Amino acid sequence: AQKVTQAQTEISVVEKEDVTLDCVYETRDTTYYLFWYKQPPSGELVFLIRRNSFDEQNEISGRYSWNFQKSTSSFNFTITASQVVDSAVYFCALSGLNAGGTSYGKLTFGQGTILTVHP
Amino acid sequence: DTEVTQTPKHLVMGMTNKKSLKCEQHMGHRAMYWYKQKAKKPPELMFVYSYEKLSINESVPSRFSPECPNSSLLNLHLHALQPEDSALYLCAGGAPTPGSPEKLFFGSGTQLSVL
Repeated sequence: AQKVTQAQTEISVVEKEDVTLDCVYETRDTTYYLFWYKQPPSGELVFLIRRNSFDEQNEISGRYSWNFQKSTSSFNFTITASQVVDSAVYFCALSGLNAGGTSYGKLTFGQGTILTVHP
Repeated sequence: DTEVTQTPKHLVMGMTNKKSLKCEQHMGHRAMYWYKQKAKKPPELMFVYSYEKLSINESVPSRFSPECPNSSLLNLHLHALQPEDSALYLCAGGAPTPGSPEKLFFGSGTQLSVL
């Protein structure tokens, strides 16, 4: 069984602060993929990053960075110099592969972290 | 512009009504998905269509009936729903590739209220 835990239910910061969103996962699959999605108040989930279990390199994209540590089963997300537009619910998700080697979008989501950035 | 369009954005229906949710994508994605999201909860997968054929049904009650008329359209027909079915229904498109779970492109959803 797969499980994703986002221990932080809500985080509130002031603009320009750095903020890290934690994600811990459990899986028995040797090959798996991790995702982060952002859900702004408008409702749609916006894809942020996909990382496979064999690639432990950290990634930086503008103000966003991700730290994948297989040894601790964590895939944490940091926003540097947060902005009001970053306010949203952030979901970490996990996907294994079925017998045919395709996941068909079956994501196991964490409970989400509500991030509020105040001006 | 969003790449996946859902209509209507809001829907209120009674338990005896029949209604349909519509989803359209023009990205050429070969897989389309319905997710259900209750308030303050993560999305839960309902159905997956791959190449216009139903490939996954996550034990969804028969009062929800999906339909994929063509590669660009996905419908969710609703009949005899219960108040607990009130939720945000999200459609997504993706391109399944063996060995590599695809990123999904989600629509803004239909907020459904069942009275």
